[in-house]
Amino acid sequence: DQQVKQNSPSLSVQEGRISILNCDYTNSMFDYFLWYKKYPAEGPTFLISISSIKDKNEDGRFTVFLNKSAKHLSLHIVPSQPGDSAVYFCESTGGTSYGKLTFGQGTILTVHP
Amino acid sequence: DSGVTQTPKHLITATGQRVTLRCSPRSGDLSVYWYQQSLDQGLQFLIQYYNGEERAKGNILERFSAQQFPDLHSELNLSSLELGDSALYFCASSVVGAGSPLHFGNGTRLTVT
Repeated sequence: DQQVKQNSPSLSVQEGRISILNCDYTNSMFDYFLWYKKYPAEGPTFLISISSIKDKNEDGRFTVFLNKSAKHLSLHIVPSQPGDSAVYFCESTGGTSYGKLTFGQGTILTVHP
Repeated sequence: DSGVTQTPKHLITATGQRVTLRCSPRSGDLSVYWYQQSLDQGLQFLIQYYNGEERAKGNILERFSAQQFPDLHSELNLSSLELGDSALYFCASSVVGAGSPLHFGNGTRLTVT
């Protein structure tokens, strides 16, 4: 039972353009959604989050959008930079699975100079 | 630097053996989580501890066990190891609070031969 899905295993973008990473979830009781970035040989690092009571949260070049009716969230990176090349995971918390943190499978983003 | 320390970084052992992975959480974090990342897989939640007590369990095998000690460090014990247990094992910690992000260590790479 995979409650969080990232259906795109990889994404390739040109430097300076927008990167859009997507995540779908099934549990409408999730109350927070978080994005993490992971470089090779390192643990994931927290990037940005959004509460289910909001539909947008922005932090510099990173913006997360939440569409509760579609159970969909997306991470926009603009402008994309080569240093953004990493694996991105979305995570959902809350609902009846308190304490259990559900991660998507990850999307490999490659930003070409 | 996330403040989460995992040791050892690499571990090579034979099938049937037992190993212990250690994690020191970030100062002040009471919750510790363990995740497994196999090749080309996402982050699989194994188990969570909060202030010494088990809080939530994920897809953790019966051959695996964990505990959190009074000083809040945690250990993940893997026994009767199989080839399929080869993976990256991440520890993460967080403060208490809805939507609190996880802070990950850099993982222990376990190779079972």
